[in-house]
Amino acid sequence: DTEVTQTPKHLVMGMTNKKSLKCEQHMGHRAMYWYKQKAKKPPELMFVYSYEKLSINESVPSRFSPECPNSSLLNLHLHALQPEDSALYLCASSQVRDSNQPQHFGDGTRLSIL
Amino acid sequence: QKEVEQNSGPLSVPEGAIASLNCTYSDRVSQSFFWYRQYSGKSPELIMSIYSNGDKEDGRFTAQLNKASQYVSLLIRDSQPSDSATYLCAVNFGGSARQLTFGSGTQLTVLP
Repeated sequence: DTEVTQTPKHLVMGMTNKKSLKCEQHMGHRAMYWYKQKAKKPPELMFVYSYEKLSINESVPSRFSPECPNSSLLNLHLHALQPEDSALYLCASSQVRDSNQPQHFGDGTRLSIL
Repeated sequence: QKEVEQNSGPLSVPEGAIASLNCTYSDRVSQSFFWYRQYSGKSPELIMSIYSNGDKEDGRFTAQLNKASQYVSLLIRDSQPSDSATYLCAVNFGGSARQLTFGSGTQLTVLP
């Protein structure tokens, strides 16, 4: 069991659908991250939130829209995705953004785009 | 470009042997180093953190860091089939945009 909880675990959606991925942590961490991971590749950073503010967007297409409603929650809103967006989406958190402390990952959401 | 390099493997060792996983990185000012284990279809799980030169032991796992050589390794003693996974080396490079950079991962198989 991880201390970062992601829902749903699996999601299948069409290219015209709108859906959201959710992430929650109760470790008091003030930095939260979204990663995308394709098969046999390392995680690829998408977004970083620090103290509920977006601090890094790694040139992610606008069909991915992050949101941080409070210090414990992180959402990723999805709209008009492409088949190549099918991947494992990972949420992670750390104490603060610019620290030497590790990031802790949730179990991920397996996303399939039809 | 700050990079983390790992031998992609696959690496196979017999049960009970020592598995040695290696990682090199490009930036001398790197501050923190992590090993994550990822089972197929699962998320990365932190197994070791190391911040200073030398060895750090935790159960069957030993992380070794040599900042002068820009090298970090993970030794797994008495390897078990349950250790079969992909091991990701991650480096937190210094600077104003300090983020984790992952190596490509080493796939380890422990043969019963």
